[in-house]
Amino acid sequence: TQLLEQSPQFLSIQEGENLTVYCNSSSVFSSLQWYRQEPGEGPVLLVTVVTGGEVKKLKRLTFQFGDARKDSSLHITAAQPGDTGLYLCAGEPLTGNQFYFGTGTSLTVIP
Amino acid sequence: NAGVTQTPKFQVLKTGQSMTLQCAQDMNHEYMSWYRQDPGMGLRLIHYSVGAGITDQGEVPNGYNVSRSTTEDFPLRLLSAAPSQTSVYFCASMGARLDSPLHFGNGTRLTVT
Repeated sequence: TQLLEQSPQFLSIQEGENLTVYCNSSSVFSSLQWYRQEPGEGPVLLVTVVTGGEVKKLKRLTFQFGDARKDSSLHITAAQPGDTGLYLCAGEPLTGNQFYFGTGTSLTVIP
Repeated sequence: NAGVTQTPKFQVLKTGQSMTLQCAQDMNHEYMSWYRQDPGMGLRLIHYSVGAGITDQGEVPNGYNVSRSTTEDFPLRLLSAAPSQTSVYFCASMGARLDSPLHFGNGTRLTVT
């Protein structure tokens, strides 16, 4: 059982549609990060959230950290083919220096 | 900047063979870690290190050893490879700031037959 569960696991949408990816846990995290990974490469950081209830925007991407710091969401507005990739959330527990990753969401945006 | 460099990129082993996956970073990061990535399971932490001479276990440490003799290098050793260790392995490092990202290498694809 993984500490962070993401949903959905796969998502295929048309260009211009909106979507939301969820990252859930029963544990509390001191911070949560979102990464995007392209085939054949390592994940690259999109954003870090550290405060419960925090909302951060990165162009068409909106990230929210749950009030209890146990969950997060990523919302993409008007998706574009360039958004295609694997999206991963990663949380740092209150104890220790470990970063646990979610199960991942594979997004395909069809032109 | 080279960032995080992993070698080799691809490797095929027979069951029972041993090998070392190399990881080096040139950013003077104290924190380094190893993950494996399998379909549908995201990345799972194998081992991590908060500085030279210090290592600790992650979620899936069995069958793997690590050492950290320098700040720059963090090799991962497979003592006796098993087919269950077929995976893509990623090394990552991180700076000391609260909001620092994990910097990943481009991975090593390992197949154990």
